[in-house]
Amino acid sequence: DIQMTQSPSTLSASVGDRVTITCRASQDFSGWLAWYQKKPGKAPKLLIYKASTLEGGVPSRFSGSGSGTEFTLTISSLQTDDFATYYCQHYDSYRWTFGQGTRVEMK
Amino acid sequence: QLQLQESGPGLVKPSETLSLTCTVSGGSITSSSFSWGWIRHAPGKGLEWIGTLYYSGSTYYNPSLKSRVTISAVTSRSYISLDLTSVTAADTGMYYCARSTYYHDTGGSAFDILGQGTMVTVS
Repeated sequence: DIQMTQSPSTLSASVGDRVTITCRASQDFSGWLAWYQKKPGKAPKLLIYKASTLEGGVPSRFSGSGSGTEFTLTISSLQTDDFATYYCQHYDSYRWTFGQGTRVEMK
Repeated sequence: QLQLQESGPGLVKPSETLSLTCTVSGGSITSSSFSWGWIRHAPGKGLEWIGTLYYSGSTYYNPSLKSRVTISAVTSRSYISLDLTSVTAADTGMYYCARSTYYHDTGGSAFDILGQGTMVTVS
């Protein structure tokens, strides 16, 4: 089974900062990856799928990239609304696997 | 606009069965373009996929929960159900119903629409 490991676990940042979160897979795979934003009391929200395609309605400050075993989620200019926990998600053969999450907190 | 709404008891006793229902409105659960499943979020933990049901009737479960989980649907009434047997405190958390879209061009799948979730406490 492929394991997804995110880093860092917690990230302290300020409004306006460029933020990068990494998701590493335990083995090379098709490269299909999604990213979600999770806020307390809210359902997870799909941000990016297919590693780099922005879901409709998601601000363009969010972007995704990567291939092979390493993928990144970048927030180009962190906004107040972006303080949350972010999860990567892999899919393969009828199995969905999440990373352990990265919490973005206010510095 | 498609909406998902979870419902069920907020408190379940250890060793009993947790049963939740997801009512789908504004769309059909019989489309072959989508599948329907459950995700949970335990306090202080990460997101965990529980299982997914396809229109064909095929179901797929997280191996760590497979022996205790059943997901089924009543298509005529547009709802999906989750049964989780022999619950323990480790099953406490928010449970989300989710639609997953399969992207045929790249062979991947993501949860693009989720319900607001329902909190379940095992105690």
